[in-house]
Amino acid sequence: AQTVTQSQPEMSVQEAETVTLSCTYDTSESDYYLFWYKQPPSRQMILVIRQEAYKQQNATENRFSVNFQKAAKSFSLKISDSQLGDAAMYFCAYRRSTSYGKLTFGQGTILTVHP
Amino acid sequence: DAGVIQSPRHEVTEMGQEVTLRCKPISGHNSLFWYRQTMMRGLELLIYFNNNVPIDDSGMPEDRFSAKMPNASFSTLKIQPSEPRDSAVYFCASSSRTISYEQYFGPGTRLTVT
Repeated sequence: AQTVTQSQPEMSVQEAETVTLSCTYDTSESDYYLFWYKQPPSRQMILVIRQEAYKQQNATENRFSVNFQKAAKSFSLKISDSQLGDAAMYFCAYRRSTSYGKLTFGQGTILTVHP
Repeated sequence: DAGVIQSPRHEVTEMGQEVTLRCKPISGHNSLFWYRQTMMRGLELLIYFNNNVPIDDSGMPEDRFSAKMPNASFSTLKIQPSEPRDSAVYFCASSSRTISYEQYFGPGTRLTVT
């Protein structure tokens, strides 16, 4: 079974600084998708970024980028120029590449942004 | 385009009562998921439908839980009888193969069973 581990229960960052959230996963599959979701206090789950395992290039979405290390089964999220609105719980998630859509989530990391 | 719609947003009920949560997926999406979020267990999949057919219900905790999807635009998750340990946030999500199966989540229903 696939597992996703986020070893940082809480992280904090100063506004305008950069922060990196860690995620590791375990799978025997060779092709899969990885995601970062953001959950603000409103509890809405918002997709931040997606990475296909077959792509070597790291995904980037504006101030958000990932460091995908397939061999190490590591998938970290870097937030640059942090903003107060980035404060939220962040979840790393895994999905097999087939049409079977189940997401397996990590435990989450609470990110605090200090002004 | 409207996102995933869930109702009610909040539900408070007494132990033993029946609870029905509702979900309307995004139009055109063919897969629907019910997730539960608790402090102890985090986010976990309860059941997954594809083209209105249940594909994986291995996450449904016990027989007190049931889910239906009578058509492509509506699904329900029912708990009967409810127990305090069912208190959680229940999310519905939908996806479509035409957009790489990315899942879009509803706002969730916060259920409190007293």
